[in-house]
Amino acid sequence: DTGVSQDPRHKITKRGQNVTFRCDPISEHNRLYWYRQTLGQGPEFLTYFQNEAQLEKSRLLSDRFSAERPKGSFSTLEIQRTEQGDSAMYLCASSLGRGQYFGPGTRLTVT
Amino acid sequence: AQTVTQSQPEMSVQEAETVTLSCTYDTSESDYYLFWYKQPPSRQMILVIRQEAYKQQNATENRFSVNFQKAAKSFSLKISDSQLGDAAMYFCAYLLKTSYDKVIFGPGTSLSVIP
Repeated sequence: DTGVSQDPRHKITKRGQNVTFRCDPISEHNRLYWYRQTLGQGPEFLTYFQNEAQLEKSRLLSDRFSAERPKGSFSTLEIQRTEQGDSAMYLCASSLGRGQYFGPGTRLTVT
Repeated sequence: AQTVTQSQPEMSVQEAETVTLSCTYDTSESDYYLFWYKQPPSRQMILVIRQEAYKQQNATENRFSVNFQKAAKSFSLKISDSQLGDAAMYFCAYLLKTSYDKVIFGPGTSLSVIP
């Protein structure tokens, strides 16, 4: 499978816990993006990496959110002290610059 | 503000018929990409079609085609010979060439296909 993969696909956590999601982009893609999508809405941009450098962060990305792409390959998105409002689908996408290819997403439910 | 508007929250089409989904966008830039993405229920977002703003010719991918009106900032998607598998959320989006960063998405149109 040469597409974008994300792990886990589903995560249920209790409020206040920390969670970490992983994204593996298409291997030759140097750009990686994280988005958040709530029910019935389009994806909202969270952050962007070019290789290992994090070049842009949305104001949606509060201090509780951190993302890394240490070797310019896979990326992780961590949410600390989760809140119920963090419940959403977290989408990862990768690109060479002419269109983004999305992974299946990680659906987070905070109880 | 850079925004994308999809004025039809829901659309339906009879199988084998043609449907057009509307999209308008707002940007002060002149060079960008426009996209239509399809998201079936509980499934992955798929890139359906891409249009480069400097190209006047409308993009076509099999049964999917666009009507790109740059001056009007309009980018509609036409689906011909609709199939049951076309049922999904469709998102219009754009990306600025000046900065290959975020894609700006519209709110989506939910398309139902009636057998």
